[in-house]
Amino acid sequence: DAGVTQSPTHLIKTRGQQVTLRCSPKSGHDTVSWYQQALGQGPQFIFQYYEEEERQRGNFPDRFSGHQYPNYSSELNVNALLLGDSALYLCASSLPGEYSDGAFFGQGTRLTVV
Amino acid sequence: DAKTTQPPSMDCAEGRAANLPCNHSTISGNEYVYWYRQIHSQGPQYIIHGLKNNETNEMASLIITEDRKSSTLILPHATLRDTAVYYCIVRVGGSQGNLIFGKGTKLSVKP
Repeated sequence: DAGVTQSPTHLIKTRGQQVTLRCSPKSGHDTVSWYQQALGQGPQFIFQYYEEEERQRGNFPDRFSGHQYPNYSSELNVNALLLGDSALYLCASSLPGEYSDGAFFGQGTRLTVV
Repeated sequence: DAKTTQPPSMDCAEGRAANLPCNHSTISGNEYVYWYRQIHSQGPQYIIHGLKNNETNEMASLIITEDRKSSTLILPHATLRDTAVYYCIVRVGGSQGNLIFGKGTKLSVKP
């Protein structure tokens, strides 16, 4: 089992550009969440996808959008990039149910905006 | 905002038990406590979670006080590879609620 995989691992973009990050969840997991982690801070929740719908959203502007496909993989899109969007972007997948063992995280995509 | 309070840093001698405290005084009756750790430049790794009973797995033990206002993560025999940032999280919003991370505790295991 490959666990949660994210691509690309590193990315450099110019201010104002758009970026798409990709995530394949752990086998059997149907829920995908995205987090942003700035240097020295804990991860901040962006949004969660389940059954191809955005189910929950954190305090992030509409420039951040996402998508989930029928195979449960997911994309995070960020438009009009700002320097402050530079961060490690983490994808986490999980199972439904009260007793699920938490979320499993990928290794993240390091986005640098210049 | 995070519902937990943790010390910013702790040291532990290799081979000794590491006891990481966490306060969550506003926790609700149906909210679980989760612990994750993050080794430098990697994604967070799930360690353990619990509701009100003490829990143990191959990685650690979780002790939750009877009033559920605090908990302690115990690494029984810390190794250098346990050096990481440890996050105590109260999961809000039910079984698929999101994880609200604080700044965690930086644990340094020293030889």
